[in-house]
Amino acid sequence: DTEVTQTPKHLVMGMTNKKSLKCEQHMGHRAMYWYKQKAKKPPELMFVYSYEKLSINESVPSRFSPECPNSSLLNLHLHALQPEDSALYLCASSRPGTGYWDTEAFFGQGTRLTVV
Amino acid sequence: AQSVTQLDSHVSVSEGTPVLLRCNYSSSYSPSLFWYVQHPNKGLQLLLKYTSAATLVKGINGFEAEFKKSETSFHLTKPSAHMSDAAEYFCVVSDWTGNQFYFGTGTSLTVIP
Repeated sequence: DTEVTQTPKHLVMGMTNKKSLKCEQHMGHRAMYWYKQKAKKPPELMFVYSYEKLSINESVPSRFSPECPNSSLLNLHLHALQPEDSALYLCASSRPGTGYWDTEAFFGQGTRLTVV
Repeated sequence: AQSVTQLDSHVSVSEGTPVLLRCNYSSSYSPSLFWYVQHPNKGLQLLLKYTSAATLVKGINGFEAEFKKSETSFHLTKPSAHMSDAAEYFCVVSDWTGNQFYFGTGTSLTVIP
């Protein structure tokens, strides 16, 4: 299994809603990532979890709250989002750490989020 | 610090002609380099990766890339473009931990029938 699965594929939410994005992988990867991608732009890193601990937070607003319940799952909790937060949210995973520096990131298909 | 520069934001080729997408990298050590492809509203798919083995790397769908240390380049090529190659292409370098990936700005490939 070399897949990263993201749900839902599409999400429309109001600015007062609370919703969550889910990401799952069963490749034994211990690094998991959230990226935000706007149209015609490269993905922007939001968060990195390494061994279930948050290792990188790229100054993301607190209305985005990541969670890594176990080594296979990654969630992104959304609350009080703004219309400018509409984007494709991508999850990725990779093998981290010494000896695995040559590993690639595996990406999910993304969640297309629209904030109205 | 690591970075990549994609020299063309948009490339247009005719079907059946060669494809060249250019990428230059900057790294303080021997880098790991990747090319990813993204079709509209899809995730990123790995085309190929360089990890200090052979300098000529073969990937999926007929794509190749050559690592040239003297030129700090990792250009992506394909001998004959197919309509299905139309997509966005990203050159990516990872840091020494393998935990961070640095993206180029992307090259949009158009294939003309």
